[in-house]
Amino acid sequence: DADVTQTPRNRITKTGKRIMLECSQTKGHDRMYWYRQDPGLGLQLIYYSFDVKDINKGEISDGYSVSRQAQAKFSLSLESAIPNQTALYFCATSDGPSDADTQYFGPGTRLTVL
Amino acid sequence: RKEVEQDPGPFNVPEGATVAFNCTYSNSASQSFFWYRQDCRKEPKLLMSVYSSGNEDGRFTAQLNRASQYISLLIRDSKLSDSATYLCVVKSTGNQFYFGTGTSLTVIP
Repeated sequence: DADVTQTPRNRITKTGKRIMLECSQTKGHDRMYWYRQDPGLGLQLIYYSFDVKDINKGEISDGYSVSRQAQAKFSLSLESAIPNQTALYFCATSDGPSDADTQYFGPGTRLTVL
Repeated sequence: RKEVEQDPGPFNVPEGATVAFNCTYSNSASQSFFWYRQDCRKEPKLLMSVYSSGNEDGRFTAQLNRASQYISLLIRDSKLSDSATYLCVVKSTGNQFYFGTGTSLTVIP
């Protein structure tokens, strides 16, 4: 079984709809992240959480919100989806503050907003 | 200025060739450095960490030059299966990871 899972894997929605993307991990990591990837722009950080009580905005948090329901779960919501939020969304986890800390990614959610 | 900058390529090389990718980062206090590989429409996966002394993993060699704020990845004896996008990643003092836009490699038979 995958260590980091994301649901749904693909979603098509309409402008103005609320949508939630979910991420679960079995790696036991404290840190979780949400990124979006657009062609030619690389990965951009939306939100990150270093533990259940810690939520931080990333580079592009406008239009998004998150919830850290448990150590293993981190959800991303689009309150009112717009077409320029069409992108590939990745959840990631990492273990902690050491220099050896690396990120592990889920398989991604491909979101299309019409 | 972007935190991490990479030449986007594309690099098209024949099988067996040696190819090198470069990456620069803007924050001199950055702590950790990595190369990730991303196949089309898939998640990024860690290829290797980059250590100050340089490190090698099979056909892959990574180098770090802190004075020039420069990271490199060398791939020797390229295989068809090496075709992918290679992402340079830097971990900042604020414990955030910054990703380059990636360098596209296609290995041609």
